[in-house]
Amino acid sequence: EAQVTQNPRYLITVTGKKLTVTCSQNMNHEYMSWYRQDPGLGLRQIYYSMNVEVTDKGDVPEGYKVSRKEKRNFPLILESPSPNQTSLYFCASSFRGISNQPQHFGDGTRLSIL
Amino acid sequence: TQLLEQSPQFLSIQEGENLTVYCNSSSVFSSLQWYRQEPGEGPVLLVTVVTGGEVKKLKRLTFQFGDARKDSSLHITAAQPGDTGLYLCAGTGRSQGNLIFGKGTKLSVKP
Repeated sequence: EAQVTQNPRYLITVTGKKLTVTCSQNMNHEYMSWYRQDPGLGLRQIYYSMNVEVTDKGDVPEGYKVSRKEKRNFPLILESPSPNQTSLYFCASSFRGISNQPQHFGDGTRLSIL
Repeated sequence: TQLLEQSPQFLSIQEGENLTVYCNSSSVFSSLQWYRQEPGEGPVLLVTVVTGGEVKKLKRLTFQFGDARKDSSLHITAAQPGDTGLYLCAGTGRSQGNLIFGKGTKLSVKP
């Protein structure tokens, strides 16, 4: 089954403790992206990757890192998480870019930073 | 900065009613996408509109792209409880990989 898989689905952690949210897709998609969704602010793009070894900042990249060492994986790294990064996170992928390309989303990761 | 403004923010209607959701911008978009998101899940693409003036139909849902490609609308005919969800419009932002979303319209259809 074609899918985007995020792990973990839920995480409660404390300020300053490094964490990684993994994202994997099995559709051989070139493009992958991370978003956060907050009440009243909607979905905002954190980082995106047009292809392997190519990453770019989205609209809210501060406090996050990403890497794209292989096509299927696009982990989101929070080196020193803070409470303002408490949010619902989504990973998405598409065949190539975003222009006229449907984005396939994972089911989300709910992060709580205490 | 490109922005997509959706209205209304919330909509609560009875089964069988019609409704329209709007997605507006002051910028021109090469295309716009509409997604629906249900609680606990990621957004799912409904349609992409590409040509100014384009109208696309998906069963009881009708999507329109404005002639100037600055706005789009989603019309639902005879809404059903299964239409309940968050409707999002999205378009390309400041670069080819930058996808921006409107804040969404939360629709509740009561039986």
